[in-house]
Amino acid sequence: RKEVEQDPGPFNVPEGATVAFNCTYSNSASQSFFWYRQDCRKEPKLLMSVYSSGNEDGRFTAQLNRASQYISLLIRDSKLSDSATYLCVVNPMVGGATNKLIFGTGTLLAVQP
Amino acid sequence: NAGVMQNPRHLVRRRGQEARLRCSPVKGHSHVYWYRQLPEEGLKFMVYLQKENIIDESGMPKERFSAEFPKEGPSILRIQQVVRGDSAAYFCASSPGTSHTNEQFFGPGTRLTVL
Repeated sequence: RKEVEQDPGPFNVPEGATVAFNCTYSNSASQSFFWYRQDCRKEPKLLMSVYSSGNEDGRFTAQLNRASQYISLLIRDSKLSDSATYLCVVNPMVGGATNKLIFGTGTLLAVQP
Repeated sequence: NAGVMQNPRHLVRRRGQEARLRCSPVKGHSHVYWYRQLPEEGLKFMVYLQKENIIDESGMPKERFSAEFPKEGPSILRIQQVVRGDSAAYFCASSPGTSHTNEQFFGPGTRLTVL
């Protein structure tokens, strides 16, 4: 089983649509969770951290369910500029000896005009 | 404030040559990470370094690959005797090491092509 699993997509949605991405992780001791965005052939950029209480940043809402080991990202009112690959990212340990990030393979979003 | 800088951005090597990839972290960051992204795949962790120390190299191939982060100067990822399978994008990231969010800031990457 992969450490972080995502549906690769692609998700083709019209402008203005609401789209949701899901992700599961295998290590129940994981401590930190993130959504990154990667545009074609560019570096990953942090979109938002994910907290147990859920958090919102403008049109983006992230949720974490520790019991189910499940992370989600909701994008409302999609824009053309949201087209990118969305990466679910887990840090298995905070403050421990290692600080590596485990990346999912990403979900491709294409917003159509 | 400059972000993470990597050079070269593109590197072409023939099989058997050496590749040296450089990474300058965000000013003030003492933690550096290297990740590799093979074509059509996700990013994979390679190595985590602090100044003059390798903290976690669990993602590094056992042979031909090495990394360092000296007291002065950039972090270097070195690949000896490159093979075609080494062709990938190599991303460096840095963090301050004191952030409870463990946010890592990524550089633009070095795209290595092995002919």
